[in-house]
Amino acid sequence: DAKTTQPPSMDCAEGRAANLPCNHSTISGNEYVYWYRQIHSQGPQYIIHGLKNNETNEMASLIITEDRKSSTLILPHATLRDTAVYYCIVRGGGSNYKLTFGKGTLLTVNP
Amino acid sequence: GAVVSQHPSWVICKSGTSVKIECRSLDFQATTMFWYRQFPKQSLMLMATSNEGSKATYEQGVEKDKFLINHASLTLSTLTVTSAHPEDSSFYICSARDPKTGIGGTEAFFGQGTRLTVV
Repeated sequence: DAKTTQPPSMDCAEGRAANLPCNHSTISGNEYVYWYRQIHSQGPQYIIHGLKNNETNEMASLIITEDRKSSTLILPHATLRDTAVYYCIVRGGGSNYKLTFGKGTLLTVNP
Repeated sequence: GAVVSQHPSWVICKSGTSVKIECRSLDFQATTMFWYRQFPKQSLMLMATSNEGSKATYEQGVEKDKFLINHASLTLSTLTVTSAHPEDSSFYICSARDPKTGIGGTEAFFGQGTRLTVV
């Protein structure tokens, strides 16, 4: 599975949009981009995933560049409860479906 | 989304004893479950992949005789830490794959984790 690079930490004001970048320049054609987050001392929570097209659900939006080498997770109106470590993971079908976690981005939402 | 439950949420045990952690998929049948370990301020590290009815596949560097994994049913996988030592103290997390979701599905649902402290 392709490697991902994320900034170690970011800050965001409550109520503002949080934009979390992820670089995955070695992604291959059949690999999906997944985003999970982990609130302190809990198991990871699925947020969103995509292949080529931008995706949106009730939690977030995922913007994938046309060349698929990077993506951005957008939390449109961050709340204090969104403070967590956000993991961007690239995964293909030939890896027995296991997810390999990098270091992620610690997003701190400030009041 | 689907629910994965771990038990216990936390456990303290004496050095040299064994501890069993359970991971259950509550509303789906999980053909594949994964066990992760997370040390403080570090990311999740995959320990092993267990498939129902077969032996687990361990990641490099993980001692299979120390971390016994059993996946005897489609809704239950257990991780037993044998002869626990203080360095085994960690946050253990399981995840389960819903086979009804395909390559593009969410696939992996995580338990809430088990905090193991070996004293």
